[in-house]
Amino acid sequence: AQSVTQLGSHVSVSEGALVLLRCNYSSSVPPYLFWYVQYPNQGLQLLLKYTTGATLVKGINGFEAEFKKSETSFHLTKPSAHMSDAAEYFCASTGGQGNLIFGKGTKLSVKP
Amino acid sequence: DTGVSQNPRHKITKRGQNVTFRCDPISEHNRLYWYRQTLGQGPEFLTYFQNEAQLEKSRLLSDRFSAERPKGSFSTLEIQRTEQGDSAMYLCASSLDSGSPLHFGNGTRLTVT
Repeated sequence: AQSVTQLGSHVSVSEGALVLLRCNYSSSVPPYLFWYVQYPNQGLQLLLKYTTGATLVKGINGFEAEFKKSETSFHLTKPSAHMSDAAEYFCASTGGQGNLIFGKGTKLSVKP
Repeated sequence: DTGVSQNPRHKITKRGQNVTFRCDPISEHNRLYWYRQTLGQGPEFLTYFQNEAQLEKSRLLSDRFSAERPKGSFSTLEIQRTEQGDSAMYLCASSLDSGSPLHFGNGTRLTVT
């Protein structure tokens, strides 16, 4: 069965520091991969997606992620954290028929 | 593009009552999805529609749950005889087709007392 694993339910960084949120997937076929961000009491907002082609994808708010097939990973990075980046981040992979399978999420805290 | 709209935003109900939620997707989107999210978890897939056809249902969707999308536009999710374990955020999403990103609404938070 397909699954998505996010390592670390909570990550804390200082403002200006590198953000690295980890995601590994399991899939029998090359999946489409997504990162979503969720602010309190809101729905999920798409940050970036990987479908085919270039393995380094850039998203909104300065985030990017790299698809590494050999490592079955799709880690999310941002060079310099901002206070407004504090939120919960979800990695997702396409399921059997277009629905998404989500990881459990990583809550990002940014310290001033 | 007005986004995905969900109503109500919050619903408090007593155990055993029935509740119905509504989702209005982005107008040109053919696919509509329902997810459930509990505290500390990612969204869990419940069901999805391609136009008016309900194409897949998760094992999470017990017999007390029913979803409809009668004209291929808005959708409703009904929970009958609610239980405390049904307390969660119910998220609706829509997409243009199977390969397109999902656009989520702000959810309906259900509390069963």
